[in-house]
Amino acid sequence: QSALTQPASVSGSPGQSITISCTGTSSDVGSYNLVSWYQQHPGKAPKLIIYEVSKRPSGVSNRFSGSKSGNTASLTISGLQAEDEADYYCCSYADSYTWVFGGGTKLTVL
Amino acid sequence: QVQLVQSGAEMKKPGSSVKVSCTASGGTFSAFAISWVRQAPGQGLEWMGGIIPIFGTANYAQKFQGRVTIIADKSTSTAYMELSSLRSEDTAVYYCARFEPFVTAYDYWGQGTLVTVSS
Repeated sequence: QSALTQPASVSGSPGQSITISCTGTSSDVGSYNLVSWYQQHPGKAPKLIIYEVSKRPSGVSNRFSGSKSGNTASLTISGLQAEDEADYYCCSYADSYTWVFGGGTKLTVL
Repeated sequence: QVQLVQSGAEMKKPGSSVKVSCTASGGTFSAFAISWVRQAPGQGLEWMGGIIPIFGTANYAQKFQGRVTIIADKSTSTAYMELSSLRSEDTAVYYCARFEPFVTAYDYWGQGTLVTVSS
């Protein structure tokens, strides 16, 4: 499977909103509502922030939201804060008990 | 509290193999799938494969088929990932992650194991 396509970088100022896209195919993102998003700070393990396209695990800020349309999933972060600066990865089920990640997006808070 | 603790950093020669362990505590090991995800320096996450310990069968990404083996030892709550025929491009941090079926996502991650392949 090929990696899902994410923009290499996005940026925004504190308080603003940003959206990160994650484009797959009809064999992964387009076929299943099993898209999750992970936040990774430098030198740390990834942290789950969104699962099943739009659900938030307990303890994750409601400033994080997810959606999907066709073969593209999106992560929106509202009210940007300095601590949101990190790398973000989408992940989708890709059939036959396999999964695929996106290439990652570096978020810079200006 | 669930914890996944991985084995320490490894330095390997090209052509050799590496075996990384991931020991789980604080949860029911057998009931959850464990996957392995790697991250080359400055690169993104790459799913390698996974196993459900209670069933014992593993699934692998096509890219790693024939070169990776994932097994689970229920008696010690430990999963292993062995990668063979190592090359320099395999230099990466290797993570194990627990798949939680109620959220269909990876909710707990190990601390990562750096594997360096160099002659």
